[in-house]
Amino acid sequence: ILNVEQSPQSLHVQEGDSTNFTCSFPSSNFYALHWYRWETAKSPEALFVMTLNGDEKKKGRISATLNTKEGYSYLYIKGSQPEDSATYLCAFISNFGNEKLTFGTGTRLTIIP
Amino acid sequence: SQTIHQWPATLVQPVGSPLSLECTVEGTSNPNLYWYRQAAGRGLQLLFYSVGIGQISSEVPQNLSASRPQDRQFILSSKKLLLSDSGFYLCAWSSQGAETQYFGPGTRLLVL
Repeated sequence: ILNVEQSPQSLHVQEGDSTNFTCSFPSSNFYALHWYRWETAKSPEALFVMTLNGDEKKKGRISATLNTKEGYSYLYIKGSQPEDSATYLCAFISNFGNEKLTFGTGTRLTIIP
Repeated sequence: SQTIHQWPATLVQPVGSPLSLECTVEGTSNPNLYWYRQAAGRGLQLLFYSVGIGQISSEVPQNLSASRPQDRQFILSSKKLLLSDSGFYLCAWSSQGAETQYFGPGTRLLVL
């Protein structure tokens, strides 16, 4: 069983503030790490696919870093806006060759106007 | 462009009744297909995945089954629903060899 953990489970952030949260995953047999954003009443939407140790990806005010040696990834949101309110999921893919995602339980982010 | 459809959007079923949820993908061929469930207060759990017609892998023992009768059609079924089957069911697809998954709108199932 692959253990993927996210912290914190939930987070309230004032509009305009920056924030970050963590995804921990097995450091062995790493192939890729995904981040998804899941807004209420919508489908999960892919944010980033990360494969290389030390990788950093950016999409607007959202960025993510990856440390495969120690098994963690951070997601950062700069200058939070109300539309950032969502559950952020990370998902791990091992190098077993079956392309299956193992999801964390998510971080539920609420931006307070 | 590719689109993924799921229906129904919401379903209320009595315990012991059968279930059939359907997922179809348009605009791509030979996709990997997945069924996930999110139970209350829990993360997304992979139930089934398929890499081709008639090829189904089950991830967890349960009273659900999946079938892929056509390349872009994935069906989740049960002969007799349990209370614990309540949850939000998501279908997803990805290209063969690529990992980003694209999710459907989901079906909220309530078993009473």
